[in-house]
Amino acid sequence: QSVLTQPPSVSAAPGQKVTISCSGTSSNIGNFFVSWYQQLPGAAPKLLIYDNDKRPSGIPDRFSGSKSGTSATLVITGLQTGDEADYYCATWDSSLSAHVFGTGTKVTV
Amino acid sequence: QLQLQESGPGLVKPSETLSLTCTVSGGSIIISNYYWGWIRQPPGKGLEWIGSIYYTGNTYYKSSLKSRLTISIDTSEHQFSLKLSSVTAADTAVYFCARHAHNGGVDYWGQGTLVTVSS
Repeated sequence: QSVLTQPPSVSAAPGQKVTISCSGTSSNIGNFFVSWYQQLPGAAPKLLIYDNDKRPSGIPDRFSGSKSGTSATLVITGLQTGDEADYYCATWDSSLSAHVFGTGTKVTV
Repeated sequence: QLQLQESGPGLVKPSETLSLTCTVSGGSIIISNYYWGWIRQPPGKGLEWIGSIYYTGNTYYKSSLKSRLTISIDTSEHQFSLKLSSVTAADTAVYFCARHAHNGGVDYWGQGTLVTVSS
């Protein structure tokens, strides 16, 4: 059972916006950077956001991340059919001394 | 462009040892501030970090796997490896090798390899 909780699924029409939450505690999100990943079916995850709100080169600005307290959020604007995937948050957990991933959210466009 | 590629048996018998190797190409395995790690994903389930190694050989593992897990690195061969002993069906998963900052994102991933534990 993951220590980071995400909604199982979110959906929106093409061109619209979705928001994915990632809820944790002071042992993880509250004190450490959060990253976000997109996993297309049958593929390896891809880094979308690191250090809470930074985008790697090549990631469009339709993807944005933020963190407040013990929660983090990924926002995808201008939804495209190619955005249909599973999305995971991740961070370090000092109580577990482990990298932890969220439960995952399936985005349907 | 850095590339990571997992290799190893796709089928392992229960109680035996799962062994995988990750070959790094297109960049150096000797790099400061980044770790080389293993992450797995059981079929239809989420991602689970297993353990990581620094190019110096320093390792850290998920506590629940620590007694069964060994991660090693061979910088001359540009490879790092995973050995998980006494496997059960619960260890069946796609295993990814990856590069990550200690508290940062996993910026490079291998394509993943499915390992099935079955007699």
